[in-house]
Amino acid sequence: GENVEQHPSTLSVQEGDSAVIKCTYSDSASNYFPWYKQELGKGPQLIIDIRSNVGEKKDQRIAVTLNKTAKHFSLHITETQPEDSAVYFCAADGGESGGYNKLIFGAGTRLAVHP
Amino acid sequence: ETGVTQTPRHLVMGMTNKKSLKCEQHLGHNAMYWYKQSAKKPLELMFVYSLEERVENNSVPSRFSPECPNSSHLFLHLHTLQPEDSALYLCASSQDFPRGGFFSGANVLTFGAGSRLTVL
Repeated sequence: GENVEQHPSTLSVQEGDSAVIKCTYSDSASNYFPWYKQELGKGPQLIIDIRSNVGEKKDQRIAVTLNKTAKHFSLHITETQPEDSAVYFCAADGGESGGYNKLIFGAGTRLAVHP
Repeated sequence: ETGVTQTPRHLVMGMTNKKSLKCEQHLGHNAMYWYKQSAKKPLELMFVYSLEERVENNSVPSRFSPECPNSSHLFLHLHTLQPEDSALYLCASSQDFPRGGFFSGANVLTFGAGSRLTVL
């Protein structure tokens, strides 16, 4: 089935720096890639998503890029702020092997932004 | 609150106990989900209900029993759990369950804050 790997597992940056989290997926038929942010004591919340017919999407300080050939996608956060500190999860739909109606999640990246 | 409320937030139980987790959504969504979140592991989909009908059961042991009495409520009944079942159990809902191989805005998941379960 579909497998999603996420790196790094932890990331520490200084306030104002950029942060990049990378994910790879295994099923080339996957076509939907969301990113979720989980703050302490809360459930994950969708922050941005991208579909396979688009290479890049931006929303203020957050951007996601998708490389279908290499089967990887990345989350970019610019001008990081302490409130960006959280666990970030990438996901991909299951594709042909895992089922298009399922989301397969990565293991998460714990981002710490230091003032 | 995100619109999805889970109770209790924390639960400690012995291996012989029977307990239940409750999830309630007031978003008018038609699909509800149970996920298991263990430390440093991907979120694991357990069950999906669409219009109160179970549409996914991801090889979950029978000691976990879901119940969806209506589209607003979802339960997870727990019986004779093992210590390795200790985790954060997340409930989520979406407007509709994705069909036809296409995720739309109606399929975006809204998660609750979770129920932290410890099995002694």
